[in-house]
Amino acid sequence: DAGVIQSPRHEVTEMGQEVTLRCKPISGHDYLFWYRQTMMRGLELLIYFNNNVPIDDSGMPEDRFSAKMPNASFSTLKIQPSEPRDSAVYFCASSFGTGSYNEQFFGPGTRLTVL
Amino acid sequence: AQSVAQPEDQVNVAEGNPLTVKCTYSVSGNPYLFWYVQYPNRGLQFLLKYITGDNLVKGSYGFEAEFNKSQTSFHLKKPSALVSDSALYFCAVRDGGSNTGKLIFGQGTTLQVKP
Repeated sequence: DAGVIQSPRHEVTEMGQEVTLRCKPISGHDYLFWYRQTMMRGLELLIYFNNNVPIDDSGMPEDRFSAKMPNASFSTLKIQPSEPRDSAVYFCASSFGTGSYNEQFFGPGTRLTVL
Repeated sequence: AQSVAQPEDQVNVAEGNPLTVKCTYSVSGNPYLFWYVQYPNRGLQFLLKYITGDNLVKGSYGFEAEFNKSQTSFHLKKPSALVSDSALYFCAVRDGGSNTGKLIFGQGTTLQVKP
């Protein structure tokens, strides 16, 4: 299995531009999570999906952030318009079920720099 | 409410010495507990988990963790530290009785192993 795939790995953009981050979860996993990691705030859960349905988006910073999961193998996190304070590493993770085997598997992350 | 605390921002040990990274938790039901490791510029990697059974759990790279219900702790240990163990370590918890796959992560502890 290729694991969780994220693209792009690095993104540099200018303030005000739209940014789209992409994630392909592990096949068969029914949970997908988007996290943001910064030195100041650590690891933050932004939103998570179960069976493609958003369950909890309380961690989304503001309306500039949106996430979709149109099917079981693809999710996007969009920032529009982007701001310098959005600069961070964004991780996608996936897991299976709510039983004993639901450890999350993380992608390599997307390092976003907003100038 | 579920919570995890990692009381030490950084732990320093000499190579060859035993190491302990501390974690305490709070959940209303039975805890599912996890340890993850993050190397620089990488995503989080699953190390080990406690679901039920033996209180001492063995995981990857020679790490183990001890579940202590009375002290609500799940400390990560290794008998002999390696310089290559230097990384950021996260403890996470989920309420085993909940119907969500969401994990609550601690703020992370940086482990520095010196030659």
